Amino acid sequence: SQTIHQWPATLVQPVGSPLSLECTVEGTSNPNLYWYRQAAGRGLQLLFYSVGIGQISSEVPQNLSASRPQDRQFILSSKKLLLSDSGFYLCAWSTSRNIQYFGAGTRLSVL
Amino acid sequence: DQQVKQNSPSLSVQEGRISILNCDYTNSMFDYFLWYKKYPAEGPTFLISISSIKDKNEDGRFTVFLNKSAKHLSLHIVPSQPGDSAVYFCAASRGGSEKLVFGKGTKLTVNP
Repeated sequence: SQTIHQWPATLVQPVGSPLSLECTVEGTSNPNLYWYRQAAGRGLQLLFYSVGIGQISSEVPQNLSASRPQDRQFILSSKKLLLSDSGFYLCAWSTSRNIQYFGAGTRLSVL
Repeated sequence: DQQVKQNSPSLSVQEGRISILNCDYTNSMFDYFLWYKKYPAEGPTFLISISSIKDKNEDGRFTVFLNKSAKHLSLHIVPSQPGDSAVYFCAASRGGSEKLVFGKGTKLTVNP
């Protein structure tokens, strides 16, 4: 069966520090991969998605970037965090018909 | 422009009664609709979906209804249980797109 791993679960970072969140999927090949952010009291905002290695689509201009170095690995990064980057970050995967399956999420607090 | 709207931020029902969660969409190109359930500090969990060629899909206590002419779908939970208390997200996609468009969610509280 397929599983998705996302870590860390919580992260507290100072403003201006770098960020690296990792997501890996097991049990499937060539999945579509997604990064979302849920700000406090808000819905799910799609940040990036990838349909293959090295293929990244950005949905909103912002302080973040994404990379897909391997088929089942998706990384969310920032060189310098802003206060507004705080939120709940979710990784998801899908293969067919756009049913996306989510990881447990990372709670990021930028102080 | 919000293409998927969940106009009720919260809903409270009694255990054993029916919960009805509503969702409206504006993009007539959407042809697949999904409902997700989310507990605090967890990722959303897929619940049920429906294709635009159907008007109803049922899975146990959960039924999704689609009214294409009204661009409206609803999720019925019968009977409601306290464990159903969560935030429910409606999502939509169109053919050829890898993306889902999510509503902002409705927080359901089922009171014992």
